[in-house]
Amino acid sequence: AQSVSQHNHHVILSEAASLELGCNYSYGGTVNLFWYVQYPGQHLQLLLKYFSGDPLVKGIKGFEAEFIKSKFSFNLRKPSVQWSDTAEYFCAVTPGTGGFKTIFGAGTRLFVKA
Amino acid sequence: KAGVTQTPRYLIKTRGQQVTLSCSPISGHRSVSWYQQTPGQGLQFLFEYFSETQRNKGNFPGRFSGRQFSNSRSEMNVSTLELGDSALYLCASSETTGGLGEQYFGPGTRLTVT
Repeated sequence: AQSVSQHNHHVILSEAASLELGCNYSYGGTVNLFWYVQYPGQHLQLLLKYFSGDPLVKGIKGFEAEFIKSKFSFNLRKPSVQWSDTAEYFCAVTPGTGGFKTIFGAGTRLFVKA
Repeated sequence: KAGVTQTPRYLIKTRGQQVTLSCSPISGHRSVSWYQQTPGQGLQFLFEYFSETQRNKGNFPGRFSGRQFSNSRSEMNVSTLELGDSALYLCASSETTGGLGEQYFGPGTRLTVT
């Protein structure tokens, strides 16, 4: 079955700490990969996306993610988090063709202590 | 451009009733997808419409249906409401259907079934 697994449900970090959120997917075919963020009281918004090409992709607010095809992983990283990064982060997969049928991970709640 | 708008934002219904939710996509976007977000199941794909045709459907019972109009606005209907249908229903729009497209999410409609 197609699925997306996020390794951590809750993460607490101090400001300036480095962040890495794990994401693994199970899908038999070409996929597009996304990380979304939901700040408290706000809409889901796109952080970054991978369609093809360079497996290291950069997104907004200093976030980046690396696609490792052999490991079916798409981990999110940020070298130094800020209090304003407190939010819920979702990894998502859509099939490469055939329309949107997005599968989301369960989400990771990140709390950054000032 | 205005973002994705959803109406109403909050709704309280009684078990057994039916409900219709509305989504207006970003101007020029022809794909509209619907998702259900609950604490237990997370974000789950309901269906996608593109140019008035249902492109994809998730694993939800037939009580959940939708449609898209010629101006790309979409409605989602849930008949014979059950307590478990209480959720945040999110709509997302995109210029294209899948492929290299990215989705923009609305604020959601919070449905409570009593």
